[in-house]
Amino acid sequence: GDQVEQSPSALSLHEGTSSALRCNFTTTTRSVQWFRQNSRGSLINLFYLASGTKENGRLKSAFDSKELYSTLHIRDAQLEDSGTYFCAAEGSSGNKLIFGIGTLLSVKP
Amino acid sequence: EAAVTQSPRNKVAVTGGKVTLSCNQTNNHNNMYWYRQDTGHGLRLIHYSYGAGSTEKGDIPDGYKASRPSQENFSLILELATPSQTSVYFCASGEGGSYEQYFGPGTRLTVL
Repeated sequence: GDQVEQSPSALSLHEGTSSALRCNFTTTTRSVQWFRQNSRGSLINLFYLASGTKENGRLKSAFDSKELYSTLHIRDAQLEDSGTYFCAAEGSSGNKLIFGIGTLLSVKP
Repeated sequence: EAAVTQSPRNKVAVTGGKVTLSCNQTNNHNNMYWYRQDTGHGLRLIHYSYGAGSTEKGDIPDGYKASRPSQENFSLILELATPSQTSVYFCASGEGGSYEQYFGPGTRLTVL
């Protein structure tokens, strides 16, 4: 079935550094959504992409539907970026999202 | 103003009891969804709806029913709660023509 593979499962960054998270898809998907889950458990929408790239402040996401992957770049990481990041792909059947198991990001001083 | 709200935010239930989780959205979205989140599984879809009066089975519907009495409200019903249904439940809404979804704050359910 449809699967979304996220990497890394955990990441530790120092403030001011940059890194990237990745999602690989096992089947073709037409769109991807990225979320951050904060310490209270709320899921915050970061990006929705049907193609190409989007940027919002220090975050930038790209989606390559042909190569079946998406990335989320975090530039100049800040303490408030800490949380669990999820990507979700549009399912091949039915009106649903298929979630990865998340990347736990810790930003340290 | 929060566009997707859930109640209750926390619930403790006994095995065999009936539990109803409620969701309300002010986005005027046609589609609504119920997911559960468990460690190691991410979020998994339980039931969803295309509009008032419609409910559809998701990937893990066993043990759950859903009800969509209006555009704004979507409920998840556990007729006979079991400890394996202890989890965090999220409701979401989305436009009919797009897969972008907006999530509520979650309900933590513990079944003893």
